[in-house]
Amino acid sequence: KQEVTQIPAALSVPEGENLVLNCSFTDSAIYNLQWFRQDPGKGLTSLLLIQSSQREQTSGRLNASLDKSSGRSTLYIAASQPGDSATYLCAVKNNAGNMLTFGGGTRLMVKP
Amino acid sequence: NAGVTQTPKFRVLKTGQSMTLLCAQDMNHEYMYWYRQDPGMGLRLIHYSVGEGTTAKGEVPDGYNVSRLKKQNFLLGLESAAPSQTSVYFCASSYSIGAEAFFGQGTRLTVV
Repeated sequence: KQEVTQIPAALSVPEGENLVLNCSFTDSAIYNLQWFRQDPGKGLTSLLLIQSSQREQTSGRLNASLDKSSGRSTLYIAASQPGDSATYLCAVKNNAGNMLTFGGGTRLMVKP
Repeated sequence: NAGVTQTPKFRVLKTGQSMTLLCAQDMNHEYMYWYRQDPGMGLRLIHYSVGEGTTAKGEVPDGYNVSRLKKQNFLLGLESAAPSQTSVYFCASSYSIGAEAFFGQGTRLTVV
């Protein structure tokens, strides 16, 4: 059974800092990996989708990398802003099955 | 551009009552999903559908039923609500099995 872990569970940084959020998964037979953002009391907003054949994806100040063989993905946020404060979730889609398996999330606070 | 819309946003039920949660998407997506999000448990898949007229069980299906009579709608039913079903429910959709998933804003359900 696929298990997804996100470390750290919470992170507080000053504005302007570059930061890395980590996601690890136990079964490397994945189809793709998706990073989401969730604001308090809100739904999930898709940030980046990386297919298993890709190494990274970029969108603005966000860069996600994928190392399938080692079961790891990182989300890099450049020049963090208070508006980046949210919970970040990663989710993997296995080759078999139809579901996304989610990590527990990293709660990010960017202080002005 | 509505995306995925969930109705209602909040609901309080008494134990034993029934209700239906409605999910509507306007992106012509084939795949639709119902997840629940609980503190410490993350997001878990309840049921999903791979197309109009189809449904399948996810990770935690007990106590729920679903229907997909129209491609754009996916209904989640609770026949006899229990306090253990207190949760935030999210609907999601995707164009295909490995495509980006889009989530609704969630329904916060409390069963007393």
